[in-house]
Amino acid sequence: NAGVTQTPKFQVLKTGQSMTLQCAQDMNHNSMYWYRQDPGMGLRLIYYSASEGTTDKGEVPNGYNVSRLNKREFSLRLESAAPSQTSVYFCASKWSGGNEQFFGPGTRLTVL
Amino acid sequence: EDKVVQSPLSLVVHEGDTVTLNCSYEVTNFRSLLWYKQEKKAPTFLFMLTSSGIEKKSGRLSSILDKKELFSILNITATQTGDSAVYLCAVEAEINNNNDMRFGAGTRLTVKP
Repeated sequence: NAGVTQTPKFQVLKTGQSMTLQCAQDMNHNSMYWYRQDPGMGLRLIYYSASEGTTDKGEVPNGYNVSRLNKREFSLRLESAAPSQTSVYFCASKWSGGNEQFFGPGTRLTVL
Repeated sequence: EDKVVQSPLSLVVHEGDTVTLNCSYEVTNFRSLLWYKQEKKAPTFLFMLTSSGIEKKSGRLSSILDKKELFSILNITATQTGDSAVYLCAVEAEINNNNDMRFGAGTRLTVKP
């Protein structure tokens, strides 16, 4: 099992560009999450999906959109990137009856 | 406003020392509190706590929750250099009929040989 995979690992964008961060899990988990991690601020929840076909806003959803394409995949889209979106982005998944979230390796995004 | 506060923000100890990391929270509709260890990559799960006063233990690590005083502690005894990491506390709460997860800023632990 690959667990939770994320692509790309690194990305540099110019202000106003768009991009999609991809996340996939092969653990048959129902719930998937997108977080951003900034220095001194811990992890902040952007969006999550409790099951295929549903998505909900987290703590910091502005400037982002998500798609739960199927049970395996949960993508995060930046329509018009801003320097404030420079961060490390983590995707996570969880079995709905379980305790822990399993995290992907992260995507380091820089917006110039 | 829901928040999770960890202290100290950073801590430097020597091998063999015992450390206590703190996590206090203010959330409505609390569901659970989780501890994660983050080294240079993704966080890895340590404990989940839902009930007050019941200690969870795994080797040299243990944790307990106080739902009355709204805090949790993570203890590490006989620390080793491999314990060096950022330790994250997260609180799962029901907000607007949805489950939300709020993380603290983390405690950076450095264990020197």
